[in-house]
Amino acid sequence: QKEVEQNSGPLSVPEGAIASLNCTYSDRVSQSFFWYRQYSGKSPELIMSIYSNGDKEDGRFTAQLNKASQYVSLLIRDSQPSDSATYLCAVGSGSARQLTFGSGTQLTVLP
Amino acid sequence: SQTIHQWPATLVQPVGSPLSLECTVEGTSNPNLYWYRQAAGRGLQLLFYSVGIGQISSEVPQNLSASRPQDRQFILSSKKLLLSDSGFYLCAWGTGPYQPQRFGDGTRLSIL
Repeated sequence: QKEVEQNSGPLSVPEGAIASLNCTYSDRVSQSFFWYRQYSGKSPELIMSIYSNGDKEDGRFTAQLNKASQYVSLLIRDSQPSDSATYLCAVGSGSARQLTFGSGTQLTVLP
Repeated sequence: SQTIHQWPATLVQPVGSPLSLECTVEGTSNPNLYWYRQAAGRGLQLLFYSVGIGQISSEVPQNLSASRPQDRQFILSSKKLLLSDSGFYLCAWGTGPYQPQRFGDGTRLSIL
């Protein structure tokens, strides 16, 4: 059974700090990796996609992928209170059209 | 651009009543469509997905069913709701393997 694991948190960081969110996955043939942000009471919003080993940067967000270690992370630089949300990691495997979601990490950025 | 519409936003239903939630996608053809449920404070549970009209795959056998009568329309139904059906129901669409899914605004369903 494919599994995606995330620390549930809550993770608290001060405003302006770097928030680091981690995710591990069990299926070695996974090919696509996504981070979603979900504000309380709202639906998940896609914020990052990554497919190759290494780093991918988009504004204050950096996704990091290490397929050998089956590990994907999301760094949020200069964290803002508006970044406070639950962050979901999702993994796609092979040609499957389904994604496996982690249970999410709750992030709180303290002013 | 592509958009996804899901309604209603909130719904309060008595136990044993029927259910119909609708989702439509605009701006794309032949999308993959998904229904998820999220219990309070929990992760996403995939209920159904569809790769084409009339093609439905069920991930969790229960008293819910799904239908895809048109290319960009996906419907979640129940004949008799249970208390355990309460939750946040999310419709999502995707374009194929290796691509992300994008979500509608969701329906918060409360069963009394």
